[in-house]
Amino acid sequence: SVLTQPPSVSGAPGQTVTISCTGNSANIGAGYDVHWYRQLPGAAPKLLIYGNNNRPSGVPDRFSGSKSDTSASLAITGLQAEDEADYYCQSYDISLSGPHIFGTGTKVTVL
Amino acid sequence: EVHLVESGGGLVQPGGSLRLSCAASAFTFNTYWMTWVRQAPGKGLEWVANINHDGSEKYYVDSVKGRFTISRDNAKNSLYVQMNSLRAEDTAVYYCAREGRYHGSGTTWYHFDYWGQGTLVTVSS
Repeated sequence: SVLTQPPSVSGAPGQTVTISCTGNSANIGAGYDVHWYRQLPGAAPKLLIYGNNNRPSGVPDRFSGSKSDTSASLAITGLQAEDEADYYCQSYDISLSGPHIFGTGTKVTVL
Repeated sequence: EVHLVESGGGLVQPGGSLRLSCAASAFTFNTYWMTWVRQAPGKGLEWVANINHDGSEKYYVDSVKGRFTISRDNAKNSLYVQMNSLRAEDTAVYYCAREGRYHGSGTTWYHFDYWGQGTLVTVSS
């Protein structure tokens, strides 16, 4: 994958954790939007943030996204036990044959 | 509520073929791009292929080009992927997803707003 995420982040309940998604000039740096997905254990991924910082209906405002230059970030505030999951960023890449690319994924652990 | 249900997964020998299906409901299927995403055991998500609303545009990740063919039948609200010359590295859970769209900065953008539950494909002798 050309979108790099930290393998894992952790935090205590109530704390804030941030997940980075680092790309390059062919994807995030080219101005393409970034989306985020959460995958609970044994479940399908679910859209969490779209268009860099928009939450679909039903996603709590504890989740927020941002984008700058060649990277993006997902912040989870007020960490809860049910936030323990895998998180993936997704964007587009002009250097590849297909339009969509995913990040490497980050495991969030609630201590 | 939008519903996507994959089927057709199973055990297949290397070099074999398999056809996955995805049945869609509760949305106007023939107006959306659709996508296949896979996830190898214990690994991350990998976008595989997508197809536009009428099947006239198709894109593939390099690793499946020439071996996989995505298609759709709008009359049946169904998405398919025909997988030939399967390899061990194709072993994964395969998800179908709808490409939701929104507009920003003068462009239409796409994201995966609904996913199926996935179907497991195992390539092994």
